[in-house]
Amino acid sequence: SQQGEEDPQALSIQEGENATMNCSYKTSINNLQWYRQNSGRGLVHLILIRSNEREKHSGRLRVTLDTSKKSSSLLITASRAADTASYFCATPTRYNQGGKLIFGQGTELSVKP
Amino acid sequence: EAGVTQFPSHSVIEKGQTVTLRCDPISGHDNLYWYRRVMGKEIKFLLHFVKESKQDESGMPNNRFLAERTGGTYSTLKVQPAELEDSGVYFCASSQWLRGALNEQFFGPGTRLTVL
Repeated sequence: SQQGEEDPQALSIQEGENATMNCSYKTSINNLQWYRQNSGRGLVHLILIRSNEREKHSGRLRVTLDTSKKSSSLLITASRAADTASYFCATPTRYNQGGKLIFGQGTELSVKP
Repeated sequence: EAGVTQFPSHSVIEKGQTVTLRCDPISGHDNLYWYRRVMGKEIKFLLHFVKESKQDESGMPNNRFLAERTGGTYSTLKVQPAELEDSGVYFCASSQWLRGALNEQFFGPGTRLTVL
């Protein structure tokens, strides 16, 4: 079964609005990562948050992690049309031995100009 | 430093044909992974190499898929014969194992495979 589940599956907003995506996972984690895939393009790493961190910022991105609830959220502030993409959370299966990443189902974000 | 590269960027083939995807990891990275995203669904793990050895191939869907990493450098993923459901984006990633380091994987741009 998938480690991560994300909601909403699809989100449509206007440019300038904030977008919030949520991710839940099932097992203990060392870190959680967020990725973006633009239509037809590659996978871009956005941000990594460690299990001992509760919040992390990077530009217009804000990620929170609640290990007690096994959930994370990604907030994109002041969204732009270029933010239109699929967003995935991912967790590693093993911490220091190169284990695979398990991805959530993703949120399709559409930002209308 | 060059990132992970993949070739081709896009491949269109007919059902029953063979396609070979290539991935060049970041130099010095022992770990190499293949993932794919099929028909807009979630990204799923296919397999993991440590150097030239297959560490985990639990995600390989069936025996039509063959991955190799001879010499522990670049890797190939062959699909033979291709089926319609194989269409999707195939991602390669690499990472270096360092004691105490986080498992941060670096992804390539992906190969978009279309099977007609």
